[in-house]
Amino acid sequence: EDQVTQSPEALRLQEGESSSLNCSYTVSGLRGLFWYRQDPGKGPEFLFTLYSAGEEKEKERLKATLTKKESFLHITAPKPEDSATYLCAVNYGGSQGNLIFGKGTKLSVKP
Amino acid sequence: DTEVTQTPKHLVMGMTNKKSLKCEQHMGHRAMYWYKQKAKKPPELMFVYSYEKLSINESVPSRFSPECPNSSLLNLHLHALQPEDSALYLCASRPLQGLSTEAFFGQGTRLTVV
Repeated sequence: EDQVTQSPEALRLQEGESSSLNCSYTVSGLRGLFWYRQDPGKGPEFLFTLYSAGEEKEKERLKATLTKKESFLHITAPKPEDSATYLCAVNYGGSQGNLIFGKGTKLSVKP
Repeated sequence: DTEVTQTPKHLVMGMTNKKSLKCEQHMGHRAMYWYKQKAKKPPELMFVYSYEKLSINESVPSRFSPECPNSSLLNLHLHALQPEDSALYLCASRPLQGLSTEAFFGQGTRLTVV
């Protein structure tokens, strides 16, 4: 069965304390892994797309990496405004590009 | 422009009301989606439109009726909803051609059924 698992469920960091979020997946025919940021009551905001193992993408304090079985979202020197839920989703193929979402990691960064 | 616009932002409706949610995008995306998201849960797929035709209905009750009038618009018609249908309803779109495959989401409609 196709699955996406994110860990940890919640992560509390002090401002400046770097860490990583994990997304592991078991899908056949991966056609893209996506990271989104979601603030409470808002729609998911697109961050990164990764297609192949070894690929890396960076944006400000965030860096996403991909292996054959998992992806990491590294957060370097986070700030309170990075607090949000981070969702991982995979495109498991088909012309509709349907997404399977993980349950998300809720990140809290304290000043 | 990577904007998907949803209206209204908030909606309160009674169980006997009929209302509609609207979604609009001008990115030329030919796939459009409706998702439902309950609190502290990931989005759940409801419907997929490809080239303005309904291609996936994830066993959604008939009190939810989608419509895609043209390539830029997506509606979700609501009728006789139940309180458990209260949720954040998200619209998304993505291209069906080209190298980019990421989906872009609107800000959602917060629906409360009373």
